[in-house]
Amino acid sequence: GAVVSQHPSWVICKSGTSVKIECRSLDFQATTMFWYRQFPKQSLMLMATSNEGSKATYEQGVEKDKFLINHASLTLSTLTVTSAHPEDSSFYICSARVSRDSETQYFGPGTRLLVL
Amino acid sequence: AQKITQTQPGMFVQEKEAVTLDCTYDTSDQSYGLFWYKQPSSGEMIFLIYQGSYDEQNATEGRYSLNFQKARKSANLVISASQLGDSAMYFCAMRDWIYNQGGKLIFGQGTELSVKP
Repeated sequence: GAVVSQHPSWVICKSGTSVKIECRSLDFQATTMFWYRQFPKQSLMLMATSNEGSKATYEQGVEKDKFLINHASLTLSTLTVTSAHPEDSSFYICSARVSRDSETQYFGPGTRLLVL
Repeated sequence: AQKITQTQPGMFVQEKEAVTLDCTYDTSDQSYGLFWYKQPSSGEMIFLIYQGSYDEQNATEGRYSLNFQKARKSANLVISASQLGDSAMYFCAMRDWIYNQGGKLIFGQGTELSVKP
């Protein structure tokens, strides 16, 4: 299957700092990437849909000024958590569709964020 | 509204036996796709199997098969000959077309499967 990477896999930061998470499609071009958030023992909640070259589409209740998404190329999308607070601590995971005609989404390994 | 329901928070199965994980869905769209993903403790989401709403045959991928009952709106995952490495969280997900041109998936609550030796 298609490979999606995320970096970093783990990040610990102080409250008030910003954290950038990268999502890369390694062996395919992804016109659309998705960012999810998952709390322990819970399901994945979609935060936003990231389309290459255009603004991200955020789900209801997700602060677009706090979670900045950039999809500058067909292989890279970034999520920046600005002014992180302890309640932002979570598991962030991205996914990508191989093509517009493909329904299967391939997920990155995820990034665990801990805000102290 | 679209919805995915997994009613089994946790399941146990003996090694080498088969197990069925339940999933029901709700959508008013006639065209949709159903997915199953496996999430081990490491956190990565592993794609297992896909069933399109117009597919007449149940999808199969190795030891995984999807028992698709359209009239009942259910898409249960069957794992045959369970292995210890199958212990993980399993998520059912749906993508419909009319309400969801962006392609996003809606996930169920998940079922934690434990395989006993």
